[in-house]
Amino acid sequence: SQQGEEDPQALSIQEGENATMNCSYKTSINNLQWYRQNSGRGLVHLILIRSNEREKHSGRLRVTLDTSKKSSSLLITASRAADTASYFCATRNNAGNMLTFGGGTRLMVKP
Amino acid sequence: GAVVSQHPSRVICKSGTSVKIECRSLDFQATTMFWYRQFPKQSLMLMATSNEGSKATYEQGVEKDKFLINHASLTLSTLTVTSAHPEDSSFYICSARDYQGYYGYTFGSGTRLTVV
Repeated sequence: SQQGEEDPQALSIQEGENATMNCSYKTSINNLQWYRQNSGRGLVHLILIRSNEREKHSGRLRVTLDTSKKSSSLLITASRAADTASYFCATRNNAGNMLTFGGGTRLMVKP
Repeated sequence: GAVVSQHPSRVICKSGTSVKIECRSLDFQATTMFWYRQFPKQSLMLMATSNEGSKATYEQGVEKDKFLINHASLTLSTLTVTSAHPEDSSFYICSARDYQGYYGYTFGSGTRLTVV
């Protein structure tokens, strides 16, 4: 079953703007990961943030984690048309090794 | 980096037939593999977790006799959709993880199954 929700479900922005996606989850986690999926393709791992971390950067990506609110955000700065894809958060809890995915955000970046 | 190869990428089959999907880890030993199902514009739903050499663990609501999973080696897991029906049409994605999690979770490119 899905761990939580992502919002917005869909986001349309112009190239060069920043895109922010939020993810909420329900149970305690070991880590939270963000993935990208192009239409009809598999998932590509973007970034992982551990439960004891609050913020992480990777290139144009910035991820925050607030375990007290059970939420995370993914910020893509200076977006490009090639960033158009669906973005999913996924959590791994302390008990098992499986990932549970959020509902996803469909991002469209217009050139 | 770690690579997972999933085959076929697309398959069309007739109702009542069975379809096998393969998931291979190419450069690492995948002690655990995961099978997901994804409907259009929706998230990934975990169907089952398979550990090499043991029976798969199915999520609630997933029929184990319908979706047969075999993880006979450290580099190969297969999902067989038996007696397929149109409602089984979906996007199936596998994911593999090595024993220590060094490579994290690596996903295959998915299989689009259409049952006609």
